[in-house]
Amino acid sequence: AQSVAQPEDQVNVAEGNPLTVKCTYSVSGNPYLFWYVQYPNRGLQFLLKYITGDNLVKGSYGFEAEFNKSQTSFHLKKPSALVSDSALYFCAVRDNSGYSTLTFGKGTMLLVSP
Amino acid sequence: GAGVSQSPSNKVTEKGKDVELRCDPISGHTALYWYRQSLGQGLEFLIYFQGNSAPDKSGLPSDRFSAERTGGSVSTLTIQRTQQEDSAVYLCASSPEGNSNQPQHFGDGTRLSIL
Repeated sequence: AQSVAQPEDQVNVAEGNPLTVKCTYSVSGNPYLFWYVQYPNRGLQFLLKYITGDNLVKGSYGFEAEFNKSQTSFHLKKPSALVSDSALYFCAVRDNSGYSTLTFGKGTMLLVSP
Repeated sequence: GAGVSQSPSNKVTEKGKDVELRCDPISGHTALYWYRQSLGQGLEFLIYFQGNSAPDKSGLPSDRFSAERTGGSVSTLTIQRTQQEDSAVYLCASSPEGNSNQPQHFGDGTRLSIL
């Protein structure tokens, strides 16, 4: 079975400071990893993904994530937070061996204060 | 270009009634997914359609839930004899192919409230 954990329900950061939203995963094979963002009353928007290759993945809106196989983590980061980054963030994983659907974490609310 | 379209955006109905939720995926996308999002529960997978293959219904919570996809395009999620615990946001997503490394594209969802 595959699973995703987002240990923080909420992350608070001041505008201009770096932000990190944590994600750990569990799969039996190798992972495909994704980050999505959800703004109020909207669907999820794709931010970035890790499939293979470089452990540091760069995505939309200045976000990046680092794949760490030994720690089974895929934390989302941004060097300088904006108030407009305030939203709900979801990490998701799929085992790339065999058939499986995408499993999402429960989401982390990011609040960036002015 | 057009994204994934869901209708209605909001639906309020009485307990025991049947409801139909519609999803119109991005043109050319062969894979279509339905999820349920409840407060504090993240996204719960419901059902997955891939082309003309038999759908993966493993996430449907009860036999009151069903879905179909006609002509490989539009999909309808039906909930019969609705219960208050069915209240949630129902999200639809599509992707060019199923269960690959390609991201899913989401609609804005249908917010379902059961009175």
